[in-house]
Amino acid sequence: GAGVSQSPSNKVTEKGKDVELRCDPISGHTALYWYRQRLGQGLEFLIYFQGNSAPDKSGLPSDRFSAERTGESVSTLTIQRTQQEDSAVYLCASSNSNQPQHFGDGTRLSIL
Amino acid sequence: AQSVTQLGSHVSVSEGALVLLRCNYSSSVPPYLFWYVQYPNQGLQLLLKYTTGATLVKGINGFEAEFKKSETSFHLTKPSAHMSDAAEYFCAVTLVDTGRRALTFGSGTRLQVQP
Repeated sequence: GAGVSQSPSNKVTEKGKDVELRCDPISGHTALYWYRQRLGQGLEFLIYFQGNSAPDKSGLPSDRFSAERTGESVSTLTIQRTQQEDSAVYLCASSNSNQPQHFGDGTRLSIL
Repeated sequence: AQSVTQLGSHVSVSEGALVLLRCNYSSSVPPYLFWYVQYPNQGLQLLLKYTTGATLVKGINGFEAEFKKSETSFHLTKPSAHMSDAAEYFCAVTLVDTGRRALTFGSGTRLQVQP
């Protein structure tokens, strides 16, 4: 597609369950970012992938959060043993070279 | 490290009035600065960016922003508000081109446009 695609668009799950969020970046974009947006707040950086380099995981809030990326394509963000404070919109962005980041529409995660 | 402060979590203007959304940043080296807009249930859309060169930057939808190093500011303006401008606006900073580094965002300003 032309833009960054994220799925699912909405996810409701029970506390303690694991969830997996998916991001399809724009084709050819070497960099991929995950951000978290809590209600009424700005975006918090979670993790960044650049090509085949080791990812920058400095924003992950706990070891329950992890992410993978296959080459320069799809990425999945996994949250294990979800807690209510994990409820947020999770946004993915991709970019290439000197260009700004392009954002997907996000996954709205609700933990019951 | 860098940070961004957006003064005013909510701004309300009348249709046709001037829009001014404030953004101040701090960084140890010259920054790259961005404004993004977010409509309900959507991702972020880039309005404009400043990297180097001309300090007055023009973006989409009639918005512009001026980088003022002496004031560490990058305020967003639009001469005449339109109802469709109602959205949340985020200022963001990075120290290198955003192809290689994550953005640091302000907490956002929600713009209301009254008829």
